[in-house]
Amino acid sequence: AQTVTQSQPEMSVQEAETVTLSCTYDTSESNYYLFWYKQPPSRQMILVIRQEAYKQQNATENRFSVNFQKAAKSFSLKISDSQLGDTAMYFCAFMRLMNRDDKIIFGKGTRLHILP
Amino acid sequence: EPEVTQTPSHQVTQMGQEVILRCVPISNHLYFYWYRQILGQKVEFLVSFYNNEISEKSEIFDDQFSVERPDGSNFTLKIRSTKLEDSAMYFCASSEAPTQGEKLFFGSGTQLSVL
Repeated sequence: AQTVTQSQPEMSVQEAETVTLSCTYDTSESNYYLFWYKQPPSRQMILVIRQEAYKQQNATENRFSVNFQKAAKSFSLKISDSQLGDTAMYFCAFMRLMNRDDKIIFGKGTRLHILP
Repeated sequence: EPEVTQTPSHQVTQMGQEVILRCVPISNHLYFYWYRQILGQKVEFLVSFYNNEISEKSEIFDDQFSVERPDGSNFTLKIRSTKLEDSAMYFCASSEAPTQGEKLFFGSGTQLSVL
């Protein structure tokens, strides 16, 4: 079974700093997707960034980038120039590419506080 | 950007009552999901639905739960006899083709409180 582990329950950084959220996962599959979702206080689930396992190049979306280490099964999220609006719960998630409609498995989340 | 719509945003019910949570997925999407999140905990998969039938369900999705796509646009989750531990945020999600790289869109959730 696939598992996703986020070892940092909570983090705080000053506005404008860079912060890295850690995620490791366990799978025997070779082909899969990895995601970071943001959940602000409104509790909406917002996709931040996505990485296909077969792509070696790390995904980037503006201030958000990932460090994908397939052999180590590690998928960290870096937020550069952090903003107050980045305050949220961040979930790392995994989806294998076997069945047509396979489910996403989420980690327990990291609560990130951006301090003014 | 297209949206998945969930109603109601909040639902309060008495233990033992039936509830129906409603979702309107994005119109051209074919794959539908329900997830739930107990306060302070992770988001958990409940069920996936494709081609008018359940594709996969988790251990949480027992006989008290059912899903339906009654009219080709709505996607509902029914809890037949609610328990206190069913109190959670329930998210509906849909996708055009998730394993072909199409994004999964989540609704804003329905907060269910069982008293």
